[in-house]
Amino acid sequence: TQLLEQSPQFLSIQEGENLTVYCNSSSVFSSLQWYRQEPGEGPVLLVTVVTGGEVKKLKRLTFQFGDARKDSSLHITAAQPGDTGLYLCAGGWNNNDMRFGAGTRLTVKP
Amino acid sequence: DSGVTQTPKHLITATGQRVTLRCSPRSGDLSVYWYQQSLDQGLQFLIQYYNGEERAKGNILERFSAQQFPDLHSELNLSSLELGDSALYFCASSVVPGYEQYFGPGTRLTVT
Repeated sequence: TQLLEQSPQFLSIQEGENLTVYCNSSSVFSSLQWYRQEPGEGPVLLVTVVTGGEVKKLKRLTFQFGDARKDSSLHITAAQPGDTGLYLCAGGWNNNDMRFGAGTRLTVKP
Repeated sequence: DSGVTQTPKHLITATGQRVTLRCSPRSGDLSVYWYQQSLDQGLQFLIQYYNGEERAKGNILERFSAQQFPDLHSELNLSSLELGDSALYFCASSVVPGYEQYFGPGTRLTVT
């Protein structure tokens, strides 16, 4: 059973476009992480959010944690081919468990 | 470089064989996780250790086993290998369970 749902599953856009991907759960997270994985490599941690309503920015990437701490979004502005990859969210719960979503596979075409 | 090391990087073996994958966590991290990722799929959680003890199990087959040693490195043993076991196997570590995970470069296993 997948405890986190990520959408969309696949996304293909042109360079310069904006996009948003989502991570949702019916459970309240104690923390949430976003990772990016490039083909053949291990996932790389992008950000951790812990406070409801928190917004963090990393260059052209904006991460938001829902007020109720059950959902999160990742917005990319002016996407570039280098943003291509698998975006994974991982949720932590108060029992110190952490689980990954299935990911959103993003392709940015030049 | 995440600080997590995995060996070997590539492994090619035949069906029915047994292999051992090795992982060294980041310095100071007590928790180790193993994941399997088949081609173009997400991460499948296999098993987690914390300070030498098994803490959580995911979709790990009975043919697979793992352990974490006193020096905190971990090994994943895969036996009676089948073609479907071909995948990338990642190790990750965190300071304690539930904290941010840092991933190694993975071991690509090919079963022929």
